[in-house]
Amino acid sequence: DTAVSQTPKYLVTQMGNDKSIKCEQNLGHDTMYWYKQDSKKFLKIMFSYNNKELIINETVPNRFSPKSPDKAHLNLHINSLELGDSAVYFCASSQVTPNSPLHFGNGTRLTVT
Amino acid sequence: GENVEQHPSTLSVQEGDSAVIKCTYSDSASNYFPWYKQELGKGPQLIIDIRSNVGEKKDQRIAVTLNKTAKHFSLHITETQPEDSAVYFCAASTDSWGKLQFGAGTQVVVTP
Repeated sequence: DTAVSQTPKYLVTQMGNDKSIKCEQNLGHDTMYWYKQDSKKFLKIMFSYNNKELIINETVPNRFSPKSPDKAHLNLHINSLELGDSAVYFCASSQVTPNSPLHFGNGTRLTVT
Repeated sequence: GENVEQHPSTLSVQEGDSAVIKCTYSDSASNYFPWYKQELGKGPQLIIDIRSNVGEKKDQRIAVTLNKTAKHFSLHITETQPEDSAVYFCAASTDSWGKLQFGAGTQVVVTP
């Protein structure tokens, strides 16, 4: 059973398009995240939701909009895609207790042409 | 904000030898230091973590040490095996909301 699953695994699209990435976790965790990994493999947090409420919003362009319909799902919608958005996007989840380990999905590789 | 530096960026070791990866952090309020292993095409996976009230922690062939005074922590892998080949990330956190500040990663290659 996959604990944190993301779809799609690969996403190739043209500049200016709008796309969404979906994430689901079956671990019963209350907190979910989106991290971005760039071409140099640097990982940086984008958003964090706790029980459907946004709690961390890093300096991310407002073209990126997370949506959490329930605490098991956190989707990421990206408007007007740019070349610089090409990266691997990881969804993760954790318990709400302090400094709980993050469980990552296997990523969505987004390529903007 | 927190800044985490990680060295080396690449590490090649012979099977059976030890590997050491070092990280430094800038924020003295950081209190949680996990290490993640990322295999090709997969997401990072937690392999060991340490909290600021502990100086050392060991789990089989993996150990982590923390020096709060110097603000650095290290990952030690003994008796390396080919399956240890991966990218390893250190991270630091000052709060409980999973806002991890990651190091830049170390590509470890274990040659038979």
